[in-house]
Amino acid sequence: KNEVEQSPQNLTAQEGEFITINCSYSVGISALHWLQQHPGGGIVSLFMLSSGKKKHGRLIATINIQEKHSSLHITASHPRDSAVYICAGLIQGGSEKLVFGKGTKLTVNP
Amino acid sequence: NAGVTQTPKFRILKIGQSMTLQCTQDMNHNYMYWYRQDPGMGLKLIYYSVGAGITDKGEVPNGYNVSRSTTEDFPLRLELAAPSQTSVYFCASRRQNTDTQYFGPGTRLTVL
Repeated sequence: KNEVEQSPQNLTAQEGEFITINCSYSVGISALHWLQQHPGGGIVSLFMLSSGKKKHGRLIATINIQEKHSSLHITASHPRDSAVYICAGLIQGGSEKLVFGKGTKLTVNP
Repeated sequence: NAGVTQTPKFRILKIGQSMTLQCTQDMNHNYMYWYRQDPGMGLKLIYYSVGAGITDKGEVPNGYNVSRSTTEDFPLRLELAAPSQTSVYFCASRRQNTDTQYFGPGTRLTVL
């Protein structure tokens, strides 16, 4: 079993829909990152959070440390949101080690 | 700023050959990382560096070597290429006391 699990693996939505991507982890982490990988392969960091909730534009990320679970929400989805979304946990203890999920491939149709 | 640049973009190696993947950042970041991404798998950390002259192993360091002689450059060396090293390699960097990692465009390596 992977230390970081994402669901769903694939997600298809219609433009305008509200999207939720889930991330659960089984190891102790000090923070959780959400990343976006574009169809061309480039990777962009979206959020880092260690508690609560963060919002950036139409993207909202939440984390529940006790339940070892994080969610990424996209409101009013758009075809340009089509990408692979990856969560990664920063292992506790001052290490630089990020443990990555396999990613959720999101396709938003017009 | 160019950000994080990687060369080459693509490379095909024969088993047993060696090569260096180049990574350069112009943001004066202390921390630099090398990851590999295998099809259908999550990224895995190969090596990282917290500053010039300091490197440390990540999750999958076997078969690789790194050096960090300058703040800007963090090359990854493959000494004896094996088919298991076929992957996409990403370099990333971040500034000390910040959380955001900036990724390079990746190098797609095939070992035949």
